[in-house]
Amino acid sequence: DAKTTQPPSMDCAEGRAANLPCNHSTISGNEYVYWYRQIHSQGPQYIIHGLKNNETNEMASLIITEDRKSSTLILPHATLRDTAVYYCIVRGGRGSTLGRLYFGRGTQLTVWP
Amino acid sequence: DAGVTQSPTHLIKTRGQQVTLRCSPISGHKSVSWYQQVLGQGPQFIFQYYEKEERGRGNFPDRFSARQFPNYSSELNVNALLLGDSALYLCASSLVSTVNTEAFFGQGTRLTVV
Repeated sequence: DAKTTQPPSMDCAEGRAANLPCNHSTISGNEYVYWYRQIHSQGPQYIIHGLKNNETNEMASLIITEDRKSSTLILPHATLRDTAVYYCIVRGGRGSTLGRLYFGRGTQLTVWP
Repeated sequence: DAGVTQSPTHLIKTRGQQVTLRCSPISGHKSVSWYQQVLGQGPQFIFQYYEKEERGRGNFPDRFSARQFPNYSSELNVNALLLGDSALYLCASSLVSTVNTEAFFGQGTRLTVV
């Protein structure tokens, strides 16, 4: 089962930063926060992941609160092509559940001109 | 380098039939997972294979089965198809089977059961 809570939808003006929040208040110490996005009818695209430190790559930045109960994905300069469903996922587990990705319903981000 | 490739891209089957979906992982990746995504929902985990062994199974009936071959490619089989099996079937590959390893998805196979 998904262990995250995300707003169902958000919008953002093109060129502005998009800040997508995620709540994961029950996260365990060895669980990672992953972000994926899915453009309509395509496979999910990996964006970024982290454990407790803030992370940045060419696509986005991930800010994780000190208590690790929430995080924010930041797209610094949103474009129309960033319109997609964004999934925040807590990934961990042991044994047979190790490494599974539990997707919720995600946040539909709409970038408008 | 080629990403995760899945075949076929689209498929139409009749209730009661059987279907086989195929996945080729990224070169060097040894772990393959399968997910089902029905319209309007996020992907749901079906199977994970690592080094040709089943490492996990989601809450799906025994009509669903899978295997991984020595070259790390994988097949997902679904028997006795039901209308509710209509979905996008996604394959994801990762280098190893750990929580700190990115999983990369293919474009999926769109299965329609009529």
